[in-house]
Amino acid sequence: DVKVTQSSRYLVKRTGEKVFLECVQDMDHENMFWYRQDPGLGLRLIYFSYDVKMKEKGDIPEGYSVSREKKERFSLILESASTNQTSMYLCASSSTGQSNQPQHFGDGTRLSIL
Amino acid sequence: AQKITQTQPGMFVQEKEAVTLDCTYDTSDQSYGLFWYKQPSSGEMIFLIYQGSYDEQNATEGRYSLNFQKARKSANLVISASQLGDSAMYFCAMREDYGNNRLAFGKGNQVVVIP
Repeated sequence: DVKVTQSSRYLVKRTGEKVFLECVQDMDHENMFWYRQDPGLGLRLIYFSYDVKMKEKGDIPEGYSVSREKKERFSLILESASTNQTSMYLCASSSTGQSNQPQHFGDGTRLSIL
Repeated sequence: AQKITQTQPGMFVQEKEAVTLDCTYDTSDQSYGLFWYKQPSSGEMIFLIYQGSYDEQNATEGRYSLNFQKARKSANLVISASQLGDSAMYFCAMREDYGNNRLAFGKGNQVVVIP
């Protein structure tokens, strides 16, 4: 089974802090994604990566950056955390090629910025 | 413009009954894929079922089936014989570009199964 592991289930940080959310997948997937989920808004794509050192902006990249130095790891960085970044963050990975391949998700990180 | 629309309010369904969750989508591509995910209160996203735009038959996966009506651009999820463990949020998603595997998600449908 595909395993996508997010480093924390719950995280509390302070305004202005630099925050790192880590995601690791064990299936050698090319693609990795970061979403945030807010009530009534569904999942919104922040950034994604389709190869090592490659990144693409999603729909809401402002205030975030990402890093993919190794194929299995995709990090989301909040450069200077703000209260409006309090949210549920979900990481996902998928393979390229077959069209029916779903994205596989981690358990999510509930981030609170105080 | 919103690509995936899920407009039903929260739904209560009796245990052992079937429930249909509506999903309509908007795309000009001929080739695309549709996915349904389940998210229980614990938060993890669980992949349920996939339908390709060129698939002639409706997808089925155990108690889950997809009522795919291409001309109407709808891909409704049917859960048969509901169980208490089916209580969750359900998300419909679409992939237009197979190159990067990016998905567009709807806002979800809340289902509560009552005994």
